[in-house]
Amino acid sequence: SQQGEEDPQALSIQEGENATMNCSYKTSINNLQWYRQNSGRGLVHLILIRSNEREKHSGRLRVTLDTSKKSSSLLITASRAADTASYFCATDVLSGTYKYIFGTGTRLKVLA
Amino acid sequence: KAGVTQTPRYLIKTRGQQVTLSCSPISGHRSVSWYQQTPGQGLQFLFEYFSETQRNKGNFPGRFSGRQFSNSRSEMNVSTLELGDSALYLCASSLRQGEYGYTFGSGTRLTVV
Repeated sequence: SQQGEEDPQALSIQEGENATMNCSYKTSINNLQWYRQNSGRGLVHLILIRSNEREKHSGRLRVTLDTSKKSSSLLITASRAADTASYFCATDVLSGTYKYIFGTGTRLKVLA
Repeated sequence: KAGVTQTPRYLIKTRGQQVTLSCSPISGHRSVSWYQQTPGQGLQFLFEYFSETQRNKGNFPGRFSGRQFSNSRSEMNVSTLELGDSALYLCASSLRQGEYGYTFGSGTRLTVV
């Protein structure tokens, strides 16, 4: 079963708009990571946020984490056509084993 | 700095055969994880190795196995292939057990016919 579930499953926006995708998970975590995957290729690590952090920025990316709600969001500002990809969250479980489980992903399409 | 290298990129096998996939992690990375990705099931965790020891295992049948060598290179093996094993197999390496994020290879696309 999936630890993380992304929402929405698919998102289509115009270039220049902001894109927000959400991730909900089931168990307590050490950290949560976001990845991007272009068209069936390998995943690219975007950002890692630890359980004691609430917000983190990296360029046009902003990630928030709410451990009380077991949820995270990824905001991409001023989106570009090159941002078209699938986005996944990955969470570990607080067992110290660092086994990372990926969510179902959000397919983002940015229209030029 | 070379990335994570997976070989082969594409593979076509017949039901009942076995297959071995290879992964060379980033130099210095000691943790290697394997994932299976299919349209229906998404990314499923297979196993994770750290310093030649399997630390974690996902919910896959015993036909799926792996190992890690002293140079951190890893292989995974699937015996008695089934049609449902057709998938993109992704390898990811990390400096430590995923704690700082994974670097993924481009994957091996396995098709079982």
